[in-house]
Amino acid sequence: KQEVTQIPAALSVPEGENLVLNCSFTDSAIYNLQWFRQDPGKGLTSLLLIQSSQREQTSGRLNASLDKSSGRSTLYIAASQPGDSATYLCAVLSAGGNEKLTFGTGTRLTIIP
Amino acid sequence: DAGITQSPRHKVTETGTPVTLRCHQTENHRYMYWYRQDPGHGLRLIHYSYGVKDTDKGEVSDGYSVSRSKTEDFLLTLESATSSQTSVYFCAISESSQRNTEAFFGQGTRLTVV
Repeated sequence: KQEVTQIPAALSVPEGENLVLNCSFTDSAIYNLQWFRQDPGKGLTSLLLIQSSQREQTSGRLNASLDKSSGRSTLYIAASQPGDSATYLCAVLSAGGNEKLTFGTGTRLTIIP
Repeated sequence: DAGITQSPRHKVTETGTPVTLRCHQTENHRYMYWYRQDPGHGLRLIHYSYGVKDTDKGEVSDGYSVSRSKTEDFLLTLESATSSQTSVYFCAISESSQRNTEAFFGQGTRLTVV
């Protein structure tokens, strides 16, 4: 059974710093991994999708990497801003199964002005 | 929000009553999903649909049923609501299988069963 872990559960950093969020998964047989952000009381916004054959994806100040063999992904946020404060979730789509995304419980990020 | 509307956004209902949540999309995407989000569990898939009248169970499908009679609408029904079904419910859509495309989520429905 796939399990996804995100550590730490919460993180506070001063504005302007670069930061890394971590995601680990137990079964390396995946189709892809997706990073989302969720603002309080809101739905999820897709940030980046990395296919299993890819090593990284970039969008603006965000860069996500994937090491499938070790079961790890990182989300790098450059030059953090207060607007980046949110909960960040990673989810994996396991190979061989149905359409079930397995989500981590998220990292709540606070950027301190 | 990728043209996804969930209704209602908030609902309080009594134990034992049936409840139907609606997800409406304007993107003409083939796949639609229902998730629930609970503290400490993350999001878990309830049911999904890969076309009109084509549905399949997810991880936590007991006590829930779904219907999709039109491409744009995916209904989630709690046949007899229980307190354990108090949760935030999210609908998601994807253009094709999530193997190839990302999923987009609605704003959620907060359901309280008293």
